[in-house]
Amino acid sequence: GAGVSQSPSNKVTEKGKDVELRCDPISGHTALYWYRQSLGQGLEFLIYFQGNSAPDKSGLPSDRFSAERTGGSVSTLTIQRTQQEDSAVYLCASSLVEVAEAFFGQGTRLTVV
Amino acid sequence: GENVEQHPSTLSVQEGDSAVIKCTYSDSASNYFPWYKQELGKGPQLIIDIRSNVGEKKDQRIAVTLNKTAKHFSLHITETQPEDSAVYFCAASIKGGGADGLTFGKGTHLIIQP
Repeated sequence: GAGVSQSPSNKVTEKGKDVELRCDPISGHTALYWYRQSLGQGLEFLIYFQGNSAPDKSGLPSDRFSAERTGGSVSTLTIQRTQQEDSAVYLCASSLVEVAEAFFGQGTRLTVV
Repeated sequence: GENVEQHPSTLSVQEGDSAVIKCTYSDSASNYFPWYKQELGKGPQLIIDIRSNVGEKKDQRIAVTLNKTAKHFSLHITETQPEDSAVYFCAASIKGGGADGLTFGKGTHLIIQP
């Protein structure tokens, strides 16, 4: 596709369930980023991938959060045992290389009830 | 770590007037400063960026200025139009393109009054 694609666009889940969010970056982009945007707030950086490697996972909010990237392309963000405070829009972005402009997807709106 | 402050949180201007949004950053090592526009229900869209080796950059009705000494940068939109209404975010990065993650301001809700 022409842009960064995220799925699902909306997800409602019960507290305690696990969820998996998917990001398809722009073809050929080696760098991929996950951000979290809470209601009325700015964007909080979560994790960065260069290829399939994430050099620093310290931005993930807790050990319930994990992310992986395979084949230098698709990435998944997994949240285990979801809590209400996990409710937010999760945004993915990609860039050609790590020093280039980042382009965002439309986000996944996660609601934990 | 880096801290980015953005003002104002809400800005209402008459159509045709100019709008200015200001940001300050804390880490003097930051060298890349993008601006994003976010419309309701959409992801942020890069509208302009500036690197620390220049002081000003312009693209049609949009311009960004950077003062490295004072550690602040600003977005200027001239001849505002209704479609400029959105939330605008400034950001700063040390490695120059987001490799370490962009640090964002909290956003400015720009309202263009007809």
